[in-house]
Amino acid sequence: EPEVTQTPSHQVTQMGQEVILRCVPISNHLYFYWYRQILGQKVEFLVSFYNNEISEKSEIFDDQFSVERPDGSNFTLKIRSTKLEDSAMYFCASSDLTVYTEAFFGQGTRLTVV
Amino acid sequence: DAKTTQPPSMDCAEGRAANLPCNHSTISGNEYVYWYRQIHSQGPQYIIHGLKNNETNEMASLIITEDRKSSTLILPHATLRDTAVYYCIVCPSNYQLIWGAGTKLIIKP
Repeated sequence: EPEVTQTPSHQVTQMGQEVILRCVPISNHLYFYWYRQILGQKVEFLVSFYNNEISEKSEIFDDQFSVERPDGSNFTLKIRSTKLEDSAMYFCASSDLTVYTEAFFGQGTRLTVV
Repeated sequence: DAKTTQPPSMDCAEGRAANLPCNHSTISGNEYVYWYRQIHSQGPQYIIHGLKNNETNEMASLIITEDRKSSTLILPHATLRDTAVYYCIVCPSNYQLIWGAGTKLIIKP
């Protein structure tokens, strides 16, 4: 069964450093998303991406965040200058051509900012 | 904020049907009801979704009331591996799923 792959599974970074989280969506999918989940809290939407541009973003997704699909297979989330409160599990997801369908989620990257 | 209300936790005996309720009294006409689950902080897993009609797939059944103000997810024969947090989400599309706290379902042997 096709799956969304995220790397690394765990990333530790120092406050103020830039971090890039990587995702390989399912190959024929066209819609891509990032969500995060702070430990013990709800899953929160960050951003959706379609046709090489951001479709929607939440208030969390401020200027410190950016997304990119650099090579047609990877989908990345960059945090420019990490803060302690960015520590969370980050989930990438993708869905196919039909919008009203299921999103497939990766297993997540645990980001720890120290 | 999430537009759904779910009980915080439920128990179910292994092998029995698990019926998870969800209230969504402010649902709009173009909004779908999605169910996802999350097993112990793993990535969320899609279960089923529907608009007006009841739906069934290999994992579960979704029963939506006629007025669409509530729904029930049914896992017909729960196993220990179904222990997870189950999320009922109302959304016009998958672009921006707004997650609530979900129902923690514990399947007991």
